[in-house]
Amino acid sequence: AQTVTQSQPEMSVQEAETVTLSCTYDTSESDYYLFWYKQPPSRQMILVIRQEAYKQQNATENRFSVNFQKAAKSFSLKISDSQLGDAAMYFCAYRSATNRDDKIIFGKGTRLHILP
Amino acid sequence: DSGVTQTPKHLITATGQRVTLRCSPRSGDLSVYWYQQSLDQGLQFLIQYYNGEERAKGNILERFSAQQFPDLHSELNLSSLELGDSALYFCASSPHRGYTEAFFGQGTRLTVV
Repeated sequence: AQTVTQSQPEMSVQEAETVTLSCTYDTSESDYYLFWYKQPPSRQMILVIRQEAYKQQNATENRFSVNFQKAAKSFSLKISDSQLGDAAMYFCAYRSATNRDDKIIFGKGTRLHILP
Repeated sequence: DSGVTQTPKHLITATGQRVTLRCSPRSGDLSVYWYQQSLDQGLQFLIQYYNGEERAKGNILERFSAQQFPDLHSELNLSSLELGDSALYFCASSPHRGYTEAFFGQGTRLTVV
């Protein structure tokens, strides 16, 4: 069974600085998707960025980028120029691209604090 | 707005009672997923339906059941409620297998008193 591990329950970063959130996963599949979701205090689940495993290029979305290391099964999120609005819970997630069971599997999350 | 609608947004009920949470997926989405998020916890997968059929099951209690109707909306039924069932229940939908992402509703906050 696939698992997703986020080893940092909480992190803090100064406003305008850069922070990296870590995520590792375990799977025997070769084709899958990885995601970072943001959950602000409103508790809404917001997709931040996605990565297709077959793509070697790391995904980027404005200030958000990932470091995808397929062999190491690592998928970290880098937030540049942190803003107060980035304060939230961040979840790393995995989804099979080929399995009939394609539920999204979430890590336990990292709570990110932005210090003014 | 993700296009996934969950009703009600909030629900307060007593222990031992039964409630039904409803999810309307995005138009045309065939897959529906249910998740439970207890306070300050991650999202626990409960169950998935695909075009009316159960596709995958997680750690869903026997007191909980779900179904997906021909119009593709889904309902999650929670019975014999306990205090520990208080949580945020999310529904997500996705067009078809192999599609990249799923789209989440706003959640139903269930409080059992």
